[in-house]
Order: sequence, then C-alpha cells, then structure tokens
Amino acid sequence: GAVVSQHPSWVICKSGTSVKIECRSLDFQATTMFWYRQFPKQSLMLMATSNEGSKATYEQGVEKDKFLINHASLTLSTLTVTSAHPEDSSFYICSARSSSQSTDTQYFGPGTRLTVL
Amino acid sequence: DAKTTQPPSMDCAEGRAANLPCNHSTISGNEYVYWYRQIHSQGPQYIIHGLKNNETNEMASLIITEDRKSSTLILPHATLRDTAVYYCIVSRSGNTGKLIFGQGTTLQVKP
Repeated sequence: GAVVSQHPSWVICKSGTSVKIECRSLDFQATTMFWYRQFPKQSLMLMATSNEGSKATYEQGVEKDKFLINHASLTLSTLTVTSAHPEDSSFYICSARSSSQSTDTQYFGPGTRLTVL
Repeated sequence: DAKTTQPPSMDCAEGRAANLPCNHSTISGNEYVYWYRQIHSQGPQYIIHGLKNNETNEMASLIITEDRKSSTLILPHATLRDTAVYYCIVSRSGNTGKLIFGQGTTLQVKP
C-alpha cells in the first residue's frame, strides 16, 4: 500500500512554456500533499504544502505565481511550472500524507525530471 | 521543528549491520523521529518512525535513546541495494506534517 505516482517521469520543454506535473495517491486518500524540488547533489527542498480544496501554502522564497498548485481531489495534486526557464530545470518530487493517519508519515512519488531548454 | 545532525557519509560491508546515527538534541516532546532513504534519482522511501520506544519493521530497527536526543537506524544485514542517502527528520505531529530534509548520510555498502 501507500503508493504515489507522478506523471510524467521526465519532460523537456522550451523556455517560456508551461509544464504540468501530476501527483496521485493510488491506494489511499491524501488530504495533504507536498511538493519538493531537488537540484543535483543537493537535498530535497520543500516548495509548498497542498491541502485538498484549499489554496496551497508556499515556503518562503517560492513564487506562488510561477509554481501553480491545485489539489482538486483527495487523490490528485498538480504542479504547473509557468513560463519555465532553464533555471527551473530540476527534479520535482511530490509526497502524500494519508488522511487516516495521526502521524506525519509521507509517501513519495518517483519524481519528475524537468529540463528546460 | 528540531534540527538533526548526521555524518555525511558511511561505509558498510555487505551482509553486515549498518548503524546510522542521528543527533536531535533539541527535540521536543511531541516530535517524532522519521527515517527516509533516497536511492539515486528516485523519490525518497519511508523506512521507519518512532516517538519514544524502539521500533522494528521489515526494513530496519530504530533505537531512540531514553532522553530522545539521539537515535540510530539499524539495517541488520546490509545489501548493495541499501546504498542510498539516509535522512533522519524530526517532525512535530499535527496537521501541517512538513518534513524538512537535511543533507543526510550517504551510505555506501561495499561487497
């Protein structure tokens, strides 16, 4: 159990275009999902917390108008990188926290590698 | 949330136990200790978590000191596939549930 998927697993896009990444909890409901970014040889950096049916909470320094997050259902959250630039190239990882749990255990997706040309 | 300190790297011989330490001296009473690992170019994998008592599951054991200021993750029989970056994270229970990742320990299991 506790499987989280991401789509696509990798994407290459041109500078100035927008890219949407999907995160799904496959076998549990997730009221809270999280989005992380990881640059090469660095640790994961939390970008935002996404709660079903409400606006996402962004970490300091993360542009909410550039990284649009939607959490429309208990099993799906999306991250849209708008007007992508080469510096947005990174490994984007989502995680989901089960709504039935009392602790903060998060289950992570396999990640999406974004390359902006 | 309390900060954690881990050694940047460790080696372990295949088949031997791998003992990964973590210091969390500022942990507060309602904070859990979580362990995750990340194999290269994959999403982190949940390993185990605990509050006060030692915990064991099919992957590992978690030993938490009585004062809760440090813990040790034990992989009883390390294999080459256990080579990964291991993250010790302290998180306050509750609705926010944020996990803040540090630099972790890179464990290299050698044949």
